[in-house]
Amino acid sequence: EAGVAQSPRYKIIEKRQSVAFWCNPISGHATLYWYQQILGQGPKLLIQFQNNGVVDDSQLPKDRFSAERLKGVDSTLKIQPAKLEDSAVYLCASSPDRGDEQYFGPGTRLTVT
Amino acid sequence: GENVEQHPSTLSVQEGDSAVIKCTYSDSASNYFPWYKQELGKRPQLIIDIRSNVGEKKDQRIAVTLNKTAKHFSLHITETQPEDSAVYFCAANRIDKLIFGTGTRLQVFP
Repeated sequence: EAGVAQSPRYKIIEKRQSVAFWCNPISGHATLYWYQQILGQGPKLLIQFQNNGVVDDSQLPKDRFSAERLKGVDSTLKIQPAKLEDSAVYLCASSPDRGDEQYFGPGTRLTVT
Repeated sequence: GENVEQHPSTLSVQEGDSAVIKCTYSDSASNYFPWYKQELGKRPQLIIDIRSNVGEKKDQRIAVTLNKTAKHFSLHITETQPEDSAVYFCAANRIDKLIFGTGTRLQVFP
């Protein structure tokens, strides 16, 4: 089966610019997660969707980050405006249902200059 | 909230030796403990997981043990090979989200 797809793979922007990332989960997976992984650290959950509803966004900096999962399939994560400390790899993961094993996409490496 | 501590942060072993990575968690309600392997520049890959209704699970050269009373779980890799070199992350669930440890960089020298 096809894995989690993400694009772009790399993105370089200047601070205060905006950026968007796209994720296509494994077909049939109801739960979708966005993580931020700063170099040398473990992934940190930003937001979790169950179908097209938000389950947990407690760690999402809502003043600059937004995410949506229209139609309960693909998802986009947006940062506006970006800060230097947003430089990280943004990982998308999906699981068949809440509490099931999670499968990660290849990530988008964001560099903010 | 849930806190997951992972040790050691780096581990170097000779090919053929065993490697053990340990994690502790704080939330007694956690019942799912996966381990991920992340090679440089690649996605985290689930290599083994354990649920709280068992104490040990094995898959070829890797095994995971869980001590619910002490709230710790460990990854054991036997007969290590150079291709085992990567960063390994443990995680514990809090309700249905995962809290990750800080990672262990394993280097296997030929």
